[in-house]
Amino acid sequence: AQSVTQPDIHITVSEGASLELRCNYSYGATPYLFWYVQSPGQGLQLLLKYFSGDTLVQGIKGFEAEFKRSQSSFNLRKPSVHWSDAAEYFCAVGEKGRRALTFGSGTRLQVQP
Amino acid sequence: ETGVTQTPRHLVMGMTNKKSLKCEQHLGHNAMYWYKQSAKKPLELMFVYNFKEQTENNSVPSRFSPECPNSSHLFLHLHTLQPEDSALYLCASSQGTDEKLFFGSGTQLSVL
Repeated sequence: AQSVTQPDIHITVSEGASLELRCNYSYGATPYLFWYVQSPGQGLQLLLKYFSGDTLVQGIKGFEAEFKRSQSSFNLRKPSVHWSDAAEYFCAVGEKGRRALTFGSGTRLQVQP
Repeated sequence: ETGVTQTPRHLVMGMTNKKSLKCEQHLGHNAMYWYKQSAKKPLELMFVYNFKEQTENNSVPSRFSPECPNSSHLFLHLHTLQPEDSALYLCASSQGTDEKLFFGSGTQLSVL
C-alpha cells in the first residue's frame, strides 16, 4: 500500500525567504507524485506533478519540486515566498492504473511580513 | 471557476435528517470522486466513479450513498449521520490516465 508523510504540520517563513516543504512517500514502483495547494474555504489546486523523466519539475506560481528516488522524497521549493502563498500544501501519490490518490496530512504555511 | 461545482457550500443537519450533496463538472472528464477532509487528518478517498460505474468504495459506511447518473454529475446521499461525519466533503474529477484531479470548493458539513 502506498503512503505519504509530510513531517511538518506547520511552517512559518518571512516574505521573500526561500521555502522547502518536505514529502516522503512509500510505494514499490515508480509513483506518480503531486503537490496541491488549498486556500481557506477552497478546494485543492494542482501546483505540479511528476510522472517520469526530468526529476526537477516546474509548476505554477513559481514552485518546483524534485523527485529523489533514493530518498523516496518529493520536496516542494520556492526561492522567494509571497504573502499570497500562505495556504495548506498537500503532497499526494498515485499509481498507474488506479484512479485515486493518497494524500499526506498537509503542511500549513504561514508567511510573516 | 475550477470547472467543478459543488452545492451546497455549507450544510447543517441533524442525525435523523436525509440530505444530498451535489457535484457537477464542466470539464468533460470521465471520472469523478468523493473525498472527505477532516481536521488534522489526510484527505480520505471515499468513492471513485469511472464512466458512471463505481470502481472504488473505500470501506465507507452505508449511511453515505453515492449516485452517478452520468459522467458530469455526482451525488452523495446522506442519512442518519453521526457527529464525527462532520467534515469538508470534496468532489473531484479527472480525465485520461494522468490522474490529475480537479477539485470543487467542497461542502462543509456539520452534523448536530
